[in-house]
Amino acid sequence: GESVGLHLPTLSVQEGDNSIINCAYSNSASDYFIWYKQESGKGPQFIIDIRSNMDKRQGQRVTVLLNKTVKHLSLQIAATQPGDSAVYFCAENEAGGATNKLIFGTGTLLAVQP
Amino acid sequence: DTEVTQTPKHLVMGMTNKKSLKCEQHMGHRAMYWYKQKAKKPPELMFVYSYEKLSINESVPSRFSPECPNSSLLNLHLHALQPEDSALYLCASRLGGGLGNEQFFGPGTRLTVL
Repeated sequence: GESVGLHLPTLSVQEGDNSIINCAYSNSASDYFIWYKQESGKGPQFIIDIRSNMDKRQGQRVTVLLNKTVKHLSLQIAATQPGDSAVYFCAENEAGGATNKLIFGTGTLLAVQP
Repeated sequence: DTEVTQTPKHLVMGMTNKKSLKCEQHMGHRAMYWYKQKAKKPPELMFVYSYEKLSINESVPSRFSPECPNSSLLNLHLHALQPEDSALYLCASRLGGGLGNEQFFGPGTRLTVL
């Protein structure tokens, strides 16, 4: 089936720097995308989402960019903090149906160095 | 109440045991999900319930049996599991209906099969 993948399994950044986590998706029919943060021993936590009719969406310190031409999704975190250390998953919604079936990417571990 | 709760937090069972995992939400969500997550891997969808009816079964072995007694509760009954079934089992819920309603995850049950 279709899959969502990430370019970098681990990203190490200095505290205060900006972080960019990338995700490539393969299903051009996907219509909704979500970024989740998962800390050790916890369930995934929603960060931000974007619909396929948008190319950018901003939240508090986070921005998601969607490039449908190259099927690429990115999460930008401004002024990265130690509390941002976690695994980040992108997920795409399989288009059609009302059950919102998500396909998760492989995940990127973000390590913030103090 | 804006969270998904799961019990127990940890579970150790033998291959001949029968146990159940429980998930609860009181957000009025009408879609509920079970995922399995192995270490350093993304969540994998197992089952989806929509309006208390099973709508997706991702070819999960019959030793896993889901149940949705009402709109707030989701159970996963376990019987004759194998050691390779050891994983974090995540429950999620979603409002249902149209696009853009994200899935909220519980903290998970860490299952060890001996």
